[in-house]
Amino acid sequence: EIVMTQSPATLSVSPGERATLSCRASQSVSSNLAWYQQKPGQAPRLLIYGASSRATGIPARFSGSGSGTEFTLTISSLQSEDIAVYYCQQYNNWPLTFGGGTKVEIK
Amino acid sequence: QVQLVQSGAEVKKPGASVKVSCKASGYSFTKYYIHWVRQAPGQGLEWMGIINPSGGSTSYAQKFQGRVAMTRDTSTTTVHMDLSSLRSEDTAVYYCARGGNPDAFDMWGQGTMVTVSS
Repeated sequence: EIVMTQSPATLSVSPGERATLSCRASQSVSSNLAWYQQKPGQAPRLLIYGASSRATGIPARFSGSGSGTEFTLTISSLQSEDIAVYYCQQYNNWPLTFGGGTKVEIK
Repeated sequence: QVQLVQSGAEVKKPGASVKVSCKASGYSFTKYYIHWVRQAPGQGLEWMGIINPSGGSTSYAQKFQGRVAMTRDTSTTTVHMDLSSLRSEDTAVYYCARGGNPDAFDMWGQGTMVTVSS
């Protein structure tokens, strides 16, 4: 099973500042990596697939990069509505696995 | 519009079984796989398995083998997830999600809370 490790566990960012979230895979997942946003009491929402492609309707301030074992989700200018937990997921190998999440909060 | 609508919350006793339903609408039901993911209170996401609505084939995470069964009804465009021999650790929100084989999950149901308590 591929283990996905996210860091940091909690990220405090001032409004308008950049937020950088990391995700590491225990072995290569190529570019088969997705990012999800989950707000309290809601289902997750797909942000990024294929490591760097934005899903439909996702604002341009969200971007993804990386391949192999190291991935990054960047929020270029944090908005109040971006407060959430963010999860990475690999879909290169069975079983599909998720990272433990990064909670983004306002500083 | 494209959506997955799940059945309502359940409360079960240890050792019982639960069936959670996920009705798809707004798209071709047999064109996309359905995955099940669960989330224990305050915890992360855990993938449980996948079903192909076209032929009904399934694949389950090893952790749930023997306890989970996923089925589909093409006449009602509904997927069901049965989990048996429930224990307190199965208390969680259960989500269905649309995806590929495999692929990212582009649409999620609203979630179904299952509580296991004596």
